[in-house]
Amino acid sequence: QSVLTQPPSVSGAPGQRVTISCTGSSSNIGAGYDVHWYQQLPGIAPKLLIYANSNRPSGVPDRFSGSKSGTSASLAITGLQAEDEADYYCQSYDSSLGVFGTGTKVTVL
Amino acid sequence: EVQLVESGGGLIQPGGSLRLSCAASGFSVSSNYMGWVRQAPGKGLEWVSVIYSNGNTHYTDSVKGRFTISRDNSKNTLYLQMNSLKVEDTAAYYCARVQYSAGWYFDLWGRGTLVTVSS
Repeated sequence: QSVLTQPPSVSGAPGQRVTISCTGSSSNIGAGYDVHWYQQLPGIAPKLLIYANSNRPSGVPDRFSGSKSGTSASLAITGLQAEDEADYYCQSYDSSLGVFGTGTKVTVL
Repeated sequence: EVQLVESGGGLIQPGGSLRLSCAASGFSVSSNYMGWVRQAPGKGLEWVSVIYSNGNTHYTDSVKGRFTISRDNSKNTLYLQMNSLKVEDTAAYYCARVQYSAGWYFDLWGRGTLVTVSS
């Protein structure tokens, strides 16, 4: 059972900007723990996309950005491209355990 | 090359046991936090277990007392011993390297190994 809630799906046309929310609580995101984001392309293992709220690992395009405020976080994708069609998961920390979000499928129209 | 390669998955009957292995290359499992994440078919990601560099371990509630995470430093390999398997343990199991940042996250993932628990 996920304690981080994400919208099941978001969609956008190529070139548009989409955002994915990740809502937690005072025991995880609101407690000051960082939020991280993963991208999972169909049939492939997840890949780290954003770490520590807003940092991109080497090789991740700057079209992807993250932010955190209060008990929530968000991932933004600007200049949406066909290859961005994937599942996206947020992740944080709660009571000595890692917790993932429910996941969001991004569809490029 | 820095990578993780899992093995050991397969079809197993309920109540059975299985040991997953994760061979690391390009870095040392003993000096890093390491973990397992699983994904049931068509479902989201679920954190399973982590082992710290000092040997401390943590498990999600649903596997406590049944799964054991360990490592062999000489083989640079991470393991997940899974006992008393249940149908609901059916999933792709990913090995991952853990980094710490006000909590921790997974910066390197293996390709996964599929575990199917069925009679």
